Amino acid sequence: GAVVSQHPSRVICKSGTSVKIECRSLDFQATTMFWYRQFPKKSLMLMATSNEGSKATYEQGVEKDKFLINHASLTLSTLTVTSAHPEDSSFYICSASDLRAFMGTDTQYFGPGTRLTVL
Amino acid sequence: GENVEQHPSTLSVQEGDSAVIKCTYSDSASNYFPWYKQELGKGSQLIIDIRSNVGEKKDQRIAVTLNKTAKHFSLHITETQPEDSAVYFCAASKEGSTLGRLYFGRGTQLTVWP
Repeated sequence: GAVVSQHPSRVICKSGTSVKIECRSLDFQATTMFWYRQFPKKSLMLMATSNEGSKATYEQGVEKDKFLINHASLTLSTLTVTSAHPEDSSFYICSASDLRAFMGTDTQYFGPGTRLTVL
Repeated sequence: GENVEQHPSTLSVQEGDSAVIKCTYSDSASNYFPWYKQELGKGSQLIIDIRSNVGEKKDQRIAVTLNKTAKHFSLHITETQPEDSAVYFCAASKEGSTLGRLYFGRGTQLTVWP
């Protein structure tokens, strides 16, 4: 159980275009989804936290107008990288958590990641 | 905020040997400490976690220990195998807080030589 999928796994786009990445919890309801960015040989950097039905909370330094997050249902969150530039090339990983399941259980289940390359 | 330090950054062991990765944290209120394994080009997989009400947890070849007083926790892998080769991340969080945010260590590249 507790499977999280991401789509696409890999995307290459031209500079200036927008790219949407989907994160789905397949067998549980995710009240909260987290979006991370990872550079080569670096740790995961939290970009934003999204709660179903409300606006995402962005970390300091992350442009909310550039990285649009939508968490419209308990099983789907999307990250849209708008007007992508080569410096946005990175590995984007989502994780999902059901904070209702058990009071105090914050286990996060990670998706397999999306490799974005902006030419 | 929380600061998680992880050591070593790289670790090479012979197949069958044990591997130990250590992490320290700064916020004494942190109470949940998961470990993640990330294989090349893939997302992170939770391999084991420990909560602050216990000092040790074991799952087959993997164990985690927690010293709340010293604010450090360690991952122990025994009888290592080549498929254990990956990057391992430790993390800390305050379980039950509103955001459930994880603070990650920088990762340890473990290489197991056959």
